[in-house]
Amino acid sequence: QKEVEQDPGPLSVPEGAIVSLNCTYSNSAFQYFMWYRQYSRKGPELLMYTYSSGNKEDGRFTAQVDKSSKYISLFIRDSQPSDSATYLCAMRPSGTYKYIFGTGTRLKVLA
Amino acid sequence: GAGVSQSPSNKVTEKGKDVELRCDPISGHTALYWYRQSLGQGLEFLIYFQGNSAPDKSGLPSDRFSAERTGGSVSTLTIQRTQQEDSAVYLCASSLGGAGFSTNEQFFGPGTRLTVL
Repeated sequence: QKEVEQDPGPLSVPEGAIVSLNCTYSNSAFQYFMWYRQYSRKGPELLMYTYSSGNKEDGRFTAQVDKSSKYISLFIRDSQPSDSATYLCAMRPSGTYKYIFGTGTRLKVLA
Repeated sequence: GAGVSQSPSNKVTEKGKDVELRCDPISGHTALYWYRQSLGQGLEFLIYFQGNSAPDKSGLPSDRFSAERTGGSVSTLTIQRTQQEDSAVYLCASSLGGAGFSTNEQFFGPGTRLTVL
């Protein structure tokens, strides 16, 4: 079993839909949770990060961490075709530098 | 300012040849990572450099892989006697610091797409 599990998709939604992307993990020591967006043939770029549990909102994006369930989510409101990309979750314990990445979910927002 | 740059952007080589991949991190970033991204796989950690400390090479898949970082800046990933299974995108990332930084945001380069025929 992988330490971080992520549905690879692809996930296709109409423009304006609310998108929910998720990752589950097995290591209870993970403290820092990140979401990266990766466009085709580009490097990943950091979208959101959260420390420990709770929610964090930034514009149309909301990151949620549920440590009791070992489950994190990224919500995208009013999705746009420009949101079409692969979304990677990443996480690490406190005091370490090694990130564990999910396989990524490919999202397509249809105009 | 300039981001992380990598060269070449694409590399096609024949099985058995050696290849060198280059990474120029963001100026002032002391931490540098190499990852490998294969189709359908997540980012696989390869190696980590932090300042003048000994690198963490625990992710290198075999002794055909090596990396160095000269002067705390530019890094080169070398793959000797390439095999077809080495075909992947090799990503480099840099960050301000190591484990002590709370977010330790990594800034990624565009990657080098390696194809071994």
